[in-house]
Amino acid sequence: KQEVTQIPAALSVPEGENLVLNCSFTDSAIYNLQWFRQDPGKGLTSLLLIQSSQREQTSGRLNASLDKSSGRSTLYIAASQPGDSATYLCAVKRYNQGGKLIFGQGTELSVKP
Amino acid sequence: EPEVTQTPSHQVTQMGQEVILRCVPISNHLYFYWYRQILGQKVEFLVSFYNNEISEKSEIFDDQFSVERPDGSNFTLKIRSTKLEDSAMYFCASSEALVAGIYNEQFFGPGTRLTVL
Repeated sequence: KQEVTQIPAALSVPEGENLVLNCSFTDSAIYNLQWFRQDPGKGLTSLLLIQSSQREQTSGRLNASLDKSSGRSTLYIAASQPGDSATYLCAVKRYNQGGKLIFGQGTELSVKP
Repeated sequence: EPEVTQTPSHQVTQMGQEVILRCVPISNHLYFYWYRQILGQKVEFLVSFYNNEISEKSEIFDDQFSVERPDGSNFTLKIRSTKLEDSAMYFCASSEALVAGIYNEQFFGPGTRLTVL
C-alpha cells in the first residue's frame, strides 16, 4: 500500500531564506508526482507536476526534484516571501490506478517578514 | 485562465438528509474526480469518473455515495443519507487526460465545506 509522508509537518523561516520541503513515498511504482499549495480553508493550487521519467521541474522560484528509486521528492523554494506562507502538499499517482492521487499530510510553511 | 468551480461553498445539513455537491470541471477535460479532506487530516480520494462511468472508487465511496454528469458541464456528488462523519471539505478535480504525457495534471476546485449536524 502506497504511503506518502511529508517532513517537517511545520516550518517557520525568515523572509528571503531558501528552503526545502520533503516528500517520501513507499512504493516507487509511480506515474507522476504533483506538488500543491493549500491556503487556509481554500482549495488546492497545482504548483508542479513531475513525470516519473523526469528528474526535476522548475516554475519561477520553485524547483521540484524526483528520485523515484529512493522514493523521494523535494520542493525547493528560493528567496521565500511572506506570500509563500501556506500548506504544501505532495501527491503521487500510481500506475494502473485510474487517476487516483495519494496525498501526504502536508508541510505548513510560515515565512516571517 | 480556466478553473474548476464548485457550489455551494458551504453546506449545512441535518444527519440523514441527502446532499448534492456540484462541480463544473474545466471545459476540455475528460476525467473528473472527487476527494475529501476531514479537518486536520490528509486529502483522500473518493472516486474518478470518465466516459460516464466510474473508473475507480475508494473504500469510503460506499452505497451512500453516487456521482453523475447530468449534462455537458456539471459533475455532481450525491450523499444519500448523511452521517456526522461525512463532515469534511469536498474537492472536485479534473484532468485533460488520464496518463498521456503532460496533460494528466489534476486541477482542483475551491471545495465545498459540508457540515452535518
